[in-house]
Amino acid sequence: QQQVKQSPQSLIVQKGGISIINCAYENTAFDYFPWYQQFPGKGPALLIAIRPDVSEKKEGRFTISFNKSAKQFSLHIMDSQPGDSATYFCAASIRNTGNQFYFGTGTSLTVIP
Amino acid sequence: NAGVTQTPKFRILKIGQSMTLQCTQDMNHNYMYWYRQDPGMGLKLIYYSVGAGITDKGEVPNGYNVSRSTTEDFPLRLELAAPSQTSVYFCASHRDSDLDTQYFGPGTRLTVL
Repeated sequence: QQQVKQSPQSLIVQKGGISIINCAYENTAFDYFPWYQQFPGKGPALLIAIRPDVSEKKEGRFTISFNKSAKQFSLHIMDSQPGDSATYFCAASIRNTGNQFYFGTGTSLTVIP
Repeated sequence: NAGVTQTPKFRILKIGQSMTLQCTQDMNHNYMYWYRQDPGMGLKLIYYSVGAGITDKGEVPNGYNVSRSTTEDFPLRLELAAPSQTSVYFCASHRDSDLDTQYFGPGTRLTVL
């Protein structure tokens, strides 16, 4: 079954708006929650990641919000720009184990100028 | 640093043929991974390695083999290619258990006809 559920599948946002992508998980042993950005024809690139001991992490225009009790985490892209148009993947992992790393199905974000 | 490099970028195989996908990293990373990415399915882990001489199966290992004779190289072998192995393959690496140092290669697009 899908270990990490991601929504929405696609998202269209006006330039300057806020893009929000959500993920949910079931395994409470996960202790690392990264987000990746992927442009067409390229490999995923680590964007930002959070550990469950904090509820929010911000890097520039990108923020992860983490709700441990609800087993949900989300990516917020503030002041969205056309250059942010890409596919975004969430993932969940158990650190120090090589094989406990699961990705969401991806969200295609389009930012309209 | 070149980061994570993969060859070839594209390949078409006939059913039953074999090939090796190459992956090399120059960051002295211990951990290396092979993922496959199918449309709308996110990335799924095929095999991983925590160091030279150590490999283990991921979520979808059937039809693949790996070896890790050096820290730098982690080739993925496809034996008896099948249409179900049509996918984009990504190699990734990170330092020790520090997932924040994770990098992905540019991918190999494989079609099996």
